[in-house]
This record gives sequence, structure tokens and C-alpha cells, in this order.
Amino acid sequence: QVQLVESGGGVVQPGRSLRLSCAASGFTFSTYAMHWVRQAPGKGLEWVAVIPYDSIHIYYADSVKGRFTISRDNSKNTLSLQMNSLRPEDTAVYYCARDSALIPFDYWGQGTLVTVSA
Amino acid sequence: DIQMTQSPSSLSASVGERVTITCRASQDIRHYLAWFQQKPGKAPRSLIYAASSLQSGVPSRFSGSGYGTDFTLTISSLQPEDVATYYCHHNSRYPRTFGQGTKVEI
Repeated sequence: QVQLVESGGGVVQPGRSLRLSCAASGFTFSTYAMHWVRQAPGKGLEWVAVIPYDSIHIYYADSVKGRFTISRDNSKNTLSLQMNSLRPEDTAVYYCARDSALIPFDYWGQGTLVTVSA
Repeated sequence: DIQMTQSPSSLSASVGERVTITCRASQDIRHYLAWFQQKPGKAPRSLIYAASSLQSGVPSRFSGSGYGTDFTLTISSLQPEDVATYYCHHNSRYPRTFGQGTKVEI
């Protein structure tokens, strides 16, 4: 069965960096676009970034552009999110999610909490 | 960017009642609209894609309709397990955006 497992969350000071990972299994990872979506405490869902199967056309939300970098390793079935210059407003649960042309976000991970605080 | 506006923000209904949530896009998104259900402390779950297609395993009491800018999620007979927050989402282009959510209570 499809499984997405995020890791790497934690407490970090403003201005510091953190790297999130998402381990995928149960499907052919190299053929799907993958996304990061976040949710601040008590708030709604916010799309963060997407990387297509071939890593060619990558897009970011304006709120993270220039600070976050999404990447993938198809040989290891792993999605990553490098987060630099973190701000308190980046505090959220970060989910990785699978995407297909027809069905957006058909599978989600359980999420990993990132807290940016001094 | 395309803005997604849901209404109402919250609602309370009785078991067995019909519930309708609306979502309006700020631009034409054709049929590129999905609905998600999120229960407290859990990841979102896909319910509807392409505006009206039911995701595998989702009960048939859930249905979606609409095209262009106006969309609807309907729960034909509300059940206790449907208590959750519901989000609409467009996958028409980037950046992708979500509605602000509708909290459904019994």
C-alpha cells in the first residue's frame, strides 16, 4: 500500500535551517509529482512547493520562494525540503503529498511538526 | 493567484440532514477542483477530484458538482463520522491554493 512518512521536524531558532524528508513506498515514486503542504497551528492548509517526476519544472509558494528548496532522489524514493532562513511564521505541520495529473493529493503523509522559536 | 472562497466557515447540522458547502474560485478553473476532509490531528483525506469524481473508498453520500468558478460539496445524509473540516482546492495552475475550510459539527 502507498505510504508516505515524513521526518526531520523539530524546534529551531529563527534564521536557522532544517531539512525535512519524506520516505515513499508502495508505488512507483519516480512517476509521480510530489508536493509539500503545510498547516500552521489552528489554521488552514497552505501549498508550499511541487517537484515533478523529472525535477524539471519546480514551483514554490511566494511565502517560501528563495528560502526553501524542494528536491527528490528517485533512486531512494525520497522527497526532501531544505528550509533556510526560517521565520516564526513557518511554524506548521508539514505534509508531503502525492499528485497525479487527474487526482491531486491522493495520498498524504502523517506530517512532521516544525516549530520556529527563539 | 487564484483565490478560493468557501462558505460557510462553519455549520452545525443533525444526523441524517443534508449538508452543502460551497466554494468559489476567483478565476475560471474549469473542472480542476478537489475536496478534502480533515479530522483533528489527522492528515487531510481526498474525497472528490475533477469537481465531481468520487475518490475510491469514499462513501457515496459525498458528492461534488460545479464548473468554472462555482462548486459544491454535498453530504446527502450527515453521519457522526463526518464531523471534520472540509477544504476545497484548485489544481488548475501554480500556485495551488486551498479554501479557508468549513468546519462541520453535529
